[in-house]
Amino acid sequence: KAGVTQTPRYLIKTRGQQVTLSCSPISGHRSVSWYQQTPGQGLQFLFEYFSETQRNKGNFPGRFSGRQFSNSRSEMNVSTLELGDSALYLCASSGGEDTQYFGPGTRLTVL
Amino acid sequence: QKEVEQDPGPLSVPEGAIVSLNCTYSNSAFQYFMWYRQYSRKGPELLMYTYSSGNKEDGRFTAQVDKSSKYISLFIRDSQPSDSATYLCAIVNNFNKFYFGSGTKLNVKP
Repeated sequence: KAGVTQTPRYLIKTRGQQVTLSCSPISGHRSVSWYQQTPGQGLQFLFEYFSETQRNKGNFPGRFSGRQFSNSRSEMNVSTLELGDSALYLCASSGGEDTQYFGPGTRLTVL
Repeated sequence: QKEVEQDPGPLSVPEGAIVSLNCTYSNSAFQYFMWYRQYSRKGPELLMYTYSSGNKEDGRFTAQVDKSSKYISLFIRDSQPSDSATYLCAIVNNFNKFYFGSGTKLNVKP
């Protein structure tokens, strides 16, 4: 099976802009979770989608939002970018066996 | 108190050494325990997964869970330079919510 794919792999934006990241889960997986990873804070949970519904949510401001489509692909949007949003954004898919499989991540740099 | 605590290291060992990586957790309701390995500029990859107390072995890797002490470990035998990476523990509650440790950076010197 193909693994989790994320696009784009690298992104450079300026403060105030918005960005949309995409994630395609492993075929058959219906749960998609998003994480932000920074050297100082480690891996922080953003939200989880299951069958197009947000099932869990972390403690991030409303500028961070997401959605999931009927084919389980997911997008994450960050509006009004801040310098502190520079991070590796990871998507993980789960097929219900209580494990998560991660994609390669999108490295976002905000200037 | 964080749900999962993990020593960030870095941990530097010579090739061939036995490596011990550890995490502690706070909530006895946690059900599933995992270890991920993350190479630089890559996503984490699942190494080991267990849901019961005791040991689980896979090649050079052994995952150990002690639910009474709320303590999990990953042992790497005969460590290799290719094991140099950041190791993350992950613990899942009964609502399928994942909690990750901050990661321990391991460097195995040839």
